[in-house]
Amino acid sequence: AQSVTQLDSHVSVSEGTPVLLRCNYSSSYSPSLFWYVQHPNKGLQLLLKYTSAATLVKGINGFEAEFKKSETSFHLTKPSAHMSDAAEYFCVVSHMYSGGGADGLTFGKGTHLIIQP
Amino acid sequence: DAGVTQSPTHLIKTRGQQVTLRCSPKSGHDTVSWYQQALGQGPQFIFQYYEEEERQRGNFPDRFSGHQFPNYSSELNVNALLLGDSALYLCASSLGPGQGAYNEQFFGPGTRLTVL
Repeated sequence: AQSVTQLDSHVSVSEGTPVLLRCNYSSSYSPSLFWYVQHPNKGLQLLLKYTSAATLVKGINGFEAEFKKSETSFHLTKPSAHMSDAAEYFCVVSHMYSGGGADGLTFGKGTHLIIQP
Repeated sequence: DAGVTQSPTHLIKTRGQQVTLRCSPKSGHDTVSWYQQALGQGPQFIFQYYEEEERQRGNFPDRFSGHQFPNYSSELNVNALLLGDSALYLCASSLGPGQGAYNEQFFGPGTRLTVL
């Protein structure tokens, strides 16, 4: 069984300040971990993914996340927030079948990121 | 490349009715997954289809069923609709086994189902 806990339902930061969205996971297997973003009335977009390569993962739009196995965490960060970053962010866990392909994704409940001008 | 497409975009049904939602995967993808996203929640995995068979299923009742066609497109059917089935239904496509170590899922825009 696998699960994801996003520790904050809402995060509010000022434009130009750092962003930290926290995520803890639980998985019986070596997990694959992702962050997806969902803007209002738009589809889900993959920000970044961790699939057992480098533990520090860089994604699109300046976001990055660090996989910490000892802490079972995969927090998302960005050095400087932009107004366009306002959206819903989902931490996601999955695992791969031995022959390739991927499990159904398990999503956290989401963190609503608010950017103050 | 049109990406993942879903139809219809919006749908209104009444309790007890049946509904069919459709999904066309991204070009080159052969695996389709369906998710239900209730308002204010994260998406929940319903099931995944590969080679026209249900490969994996989440914790959803048998009222939820699906189908995959030879061209890899897919349908989600929900019978005996309940008010609680009101949600955004998302389809995601990916490459199947043997085509890569990890196969990213690409999401469509969703179908908004309202049950009255």
